[in-house]
Amino acid sequence: EDQVTQSPEALRLQEGESSSLNCSYTVSGLRGLFWYRQDPGKGPEFLFTLYSAGEEKEKERLKATLTKKESFLHITAPKPEDSATYLCAVQGAGANNLFFGTGTRLTVIP
Amino acid sequence: NAGVTQTPKFQVLKTGQSMTLQCAQDMNHNSMYWYRQDPGMGLRLIYYSASEGTTDKGEVPNGYNVSRLNKREFSLRLESAAPSQTSVYFCASSVSMGHAEAFFGQGTRLTVV
Repeated sequence: EDQVTQSPEALRLQEGESSSLNCSYTVSGLRGLFWYRQDPGKGPEFLFTLYSAGEEKEKERLKATLTKKESFLHITAPKPEDSATYLCAVQGAGANNLFFGTGTRLTVIP
Repeated sequence: NAGVTQTPKFQVLKTGQSMTLQCAQDMNHNSMYWYRQDPGMGLRLIYYSASEGTTDKGEVPNGYNVSRLNKREFSLRLESAAPSQTSVYFCASSVSMGHAEAFFGQGTRLTVV
């Protein structure tokens, strides 16, 4: 059964304090791993797709990496506007949908 | 470019009432989805439509029905609402099932009393 575990559940950072969010997954034949950002009262906003171990993608202060068992979302020198819940999702081989984790709620304090 | 538009944004229903949540996308995507999001749980798939004219059950379909009206529109119907259906509902779309980068609407917050 597909499973996605995100840690920590919540993270408070000072502005400029870099850190990483973790997404551990179990899936039969990974087709893709996805990162989304969700602001309060809004729908998830697509950030990245990773397809194979060793792959990395970057966008502004965010960098996503992938191994065979987990993915990390690295946040470098975060700003208050990076505060949001970050969701990880996987799609397995033969699956027709994304399987989501419960997210990490990030708060960046000025 | 509006993306994925959901209506209504908020709704309160009494137990046993019915309602339809509307969703439309203007990105010419083939696949559309309905998810629900509950506190402490990840987004869970209710129904999906891989392409116009097809619909299939997801992880939690009981108590719901869907209609893929055309390529743009995908509606979710609650025939007899129950308090357990209190949730935030999201519609999403993607180019196809194989390209699963999904784009989400703003959500409908539904309360069943």
